[in-house]
Amino acid sequence: GENVEQHPSTLSVQEGDSAVIKCTYSDSASNYFPWYKQELGKRPQLIIDIRSNVGEKKDQRIAVTLNKTAKHFSLHITETQPEDSAVYFCAAPWDSGNTGKLIFGQGTTLQVKP
Amino acid sequence: DAGVTQSPTHLIKTRGQQVTLRCSPKSGHDTVSWYQQALGQGPQFIFQYYEEEERQRGNFPDRFSGHQFPNYSSELNVNALLLGDSALYLCASSTDLQAYGYTFGSGTRLTVV
Repeated sequence: GENVEQHPSTLSVQEGDSAVIKCTYSDSASNYFPWYKQELGKRPQLIIDIRSNVGEKKDQRIAVTLNKTAKHFSLHITETQPEDSAVYFCAAPWDSGNTGKLIFGQGTTLQVKP
Repeated sequence: DAGVTQSPTHLIKTRGQQVTLRCSPKSGHDTVSWYQQALGQGPQFIFQYYEEEERQRGNFPDRFSGHQFPNYSSELNVNALLLGDSALYLCASSTDLQAYGYTFGSGTRLTVV
């Protein structure tokens, strides 16, 4: 099965700066990599995802990059705003069989200082 | 609201007791996955239900069991509660064709004392 490591565990940036969170995975057959944002006391919400047939995907201030060779993927947030403060989780499939079972990273607490 | 609804939102139980948590999936979703999220940790997969059967299971003991009803709603049961079962329990619904297209509920916060 898959194993996902996420770094850093906490990240503090000034408003307007960029933030980068990195995850590594172990199963080279993994083909889907979502990122979730969880605000305090709220449900995790999908913010962006990427499939293994592309190397980068952007959505306004958020982007995800995937390096299949190195087996890592990263979340990039540009022009950070205080409302970006939350816990961010990466995830990867448990196996390549489209089972719907996700393995989550430990989470990164992002603090954006005004 | 056609999102995922979970009940109750908060629950306090005593060690050794049993608890049942409930989940109604998003309209159009037929698959329900349950996750346990301990404080400061990422969600951990408990099991998944599709067509009223457990289709996938994570590394959780048999004290954790579930059920899915014909209307796709689901229950998570935990027997012989331990202090370590205190966590946020999240339900995520999806479709069989888009198994990773999760919509999460807001969760049930279980405290075992």
